[in-house]
Amino acid sequence: QITLKESGPTLVKPTQTLTLTCTFSGFSLSTSGVGVGWIRQPPGKALEWLALIYWDDDKRYSPSLKSRLTITKDTSKNQVVLTMTNMDPVDTATYYCAHLLVGATTDYFDYWGQGTLVTVSS
Amino acid sequence: QSVLTQPPSVSGAPGQRVTISCTGSSSNIGAGYDVHWYQQLPGTAPKLLIYGNSNRPSGVPDRFSGSKSGTSASLAITGLQAEDEADYYCQSYDSSLSGHYVFGTGTKVTVL
Repeated sequence: QITLKESGPTLVKPTQTLTLTCTFSGFSLSTSGVGVGWIRQPPGKALEWLALIYWDDDKRYSPSLKSRLTITKDTSKNQVVLTMTNMDPVDTATYYCAHLLVGATTDYFDYWGQGTLVTVSS
Repeated sequence: QSVLTQPPSVSGAPGQRVTISCTGSSSNIGAGYDVHWYQQLPGTAPKLLIYGNSNRPSGVPDRFSGSKSGTSASLAITGLQAEDEADYYCQSYDSSLSGHYVFGTGTKVTVL
């Protein structure tokens, strides 16, 4: 049974750096063909993919946010960490982590965490 | 910055059939990457509904179906039920700019 859970601050100030942790169980991020990604959703708005890390430590970032994002993994702790620098009120959103299954032409998120709401305000 | 375009809303009476389109481009859907669909009930996390264009995970009713053609994909809901009222998102992979994942703009399904 795969589960994921996000943790981190609920409130950050503008210009600060946000650090979110995804703690998962039921799979290993050293297993070929899996990944963990981060997706966010501003209140009332659409999903936006942010970053992803694969089993082999390859990484992908949203082109529009690449300069602000860093994703890392700690396989021994079953955790993936996302950092986002220079936070702004427009970054207020629910942040989700999700398990990715990798295929030749078909990568999809089959398990999601419950999400954590991060508010950016002074 | 969604690159997959969906209609903002669709609606139908119980029992009717509704479809949701997802339009991409030559660097994502048109490049051969599969389309996946997620259902997000109010106040909850998204849930995988369709993967690989037309496959349903275990437990997803067969009234949900997906298809893909060219640079677009579609999700159909037949026999619409009240519990289908939710937001629906398509997702694919885009090969431009070193490769990245993309979600659609989202569609709100309302059961009249």
